[in-house]
Amino acid sequence: GQNIDQPTEMTATEGAIVQINCTYQTSGFNGLFWYQQHAGEAPTFLSYNVLDGLEEKGRFSSFLSRSKGYSYLLLKELQMKDSASYLCAVSPYNQGGKLIFGQGTELSVKP
Amino acid sequence: SQTIHQWPATLVQPVGSPLSLECTVEGTSNPNLYWYRQAAGRGLQLLFYSVGIGQISSEVPQNLSASRPQDRQFILSSKKLLLSDSGFYLCAWSTTAGGYTFGSGTRLTVV
Repeated sequence: GQNIDQPTEMTATEGAIVQINCTYQTSGFNGLFWYQQHAGEAPTFLSYNVLDGLEEKGRFSSFLSRSKGYSYLLLKELQMKDSASYLCAVSPYNQGGKLIFGQGTELSVKP
Repeated sequence: SQTIHQWPATLVQPVGSPLSLECTVEGTSNPNLYWYRQAAGRGLQLLFYSVGIGQISSEVPQNLSASRPQDRQFILSSKKLLLSDSGFYLCAWSTTAGGYTFGSGTRLTVV
């Protein structure tokens, strides 16, 4: 089965950098995803890692280490609008493309 | 372009009443479709997924059912709602890159 762990809450300051960690135990997966979800809205796609290493997309970067069962999402130059829940998810092998989500990390950005 | 439509946006239903939520996708063929539920302050729980017409996989035993009568249509139903069925229901389809695109969601309150 899959077990995905993320911190429940984090707080950071506007303009700073924050790293949101995700650890998982899974028998095998196609890729690891990060989504952003603002309160009351649907999640939106942020990033996707298949291979180990860092994927950079503007202010957002995501890192994956399959051997360590570990990923993180890095947010730079934080803005107030980055206050949201950040969801880590894995796509298990041969299971119709479904995603298994962690509980999400609620990030609060303070001025 | 590919779009996903989900309705209604909000719904208040009495306990014991039936439920029907509809999701349709445009601009793609033979998508994988998913129904998720998110309880207040919680992560996303996969309810059903479908890889084709008439093909439904159920992830958790519950008071709900799903159907896929057409390639681009996915319906979530219940014959008799329970209080515990309240939540934010999200439909999603998977892209060729493996990620999800979510519908805007239906907030269901069972009273």
